[in-house]
Amino acid sequence: SQKIEQNSEALNIQEGKTATLTCNYTNYSPAYLQWYRQDPGRGPVFLLLIRENEKEKRKERLKVTFDTTLKQSLFHITASQPADSATYLCALEGNDMRFGAGTRLTVKP
Amino acid sequence: NAGVTQTPKFQVLKTGQSMTLQCAQDMNHEYMSWYRQDPGMGLRLIHYSVGAGITDQGEVPNGYNVSRSTTEDFPLRLLSAAPSQTSVYFCASSPSLGQPQHFGDGTRLSIL
Repeated sequence: SQKIEQNSEALNIQEGKTATLTCNYTNYSPAYLQWYRQDPGRGPVFLLLIRENEKEKRKERLKVTFDTTLKQSLFHITASQPADSATYLCALEGNDMRFGAGTRLTVKP
Repeated sequence: NAGVTQTPKFQVLKTGQSMTLQCAQDMNHEYMSWYRQDPGMGLRLIHYSVGAGITDQGEVPNGYNVSRSTTEDFPLRLLSAAPSQTSVYFCASSPSLGQPQHFGDGTRLSIL
């Protein structure tokens, strides 16, 4: 069956460091992969989208990579700040959209 | 510029009751979807629609009905509520698949 795994339920890092979040998938051939941020009590907010034929996408301090051979996406936040603390969700899109369970990131001052 | 509006924000039901969760978007998006979010399980797709008059089942459709009579509205109906349907429900919309989704702020539903 299709499976999407975000490898860490929680990740704690120090302010200024780079946070790296992982999304692995099996039995899936997504056309797109998206990353979202979710704050407590709110709906997810879109961050980045990468297509299956793209290796890397950047937006300000955010970078996402997509390796369809490894079936893996990495999401990086450079120069992390306490305001980056949130849950980050990856989502794979084929005929519909499926989400991973998320990684809760805490950036400590 | 409201985006995606979900009502109500909170609801408590008794087992066996029925209710409709409302979702409306003002961005003229064709694609709309409903998810439920449970602790440790992420967002699970219930039903989705690629345009008015077209709906399809997602990962966990049992116990839920949807209809899409207009582009703007995509209500989710619980026919006979069960405690297992206690969850946070999110509605989302996008211009099409392959585009960023816009989410509402959710409906927190408790079934007693």
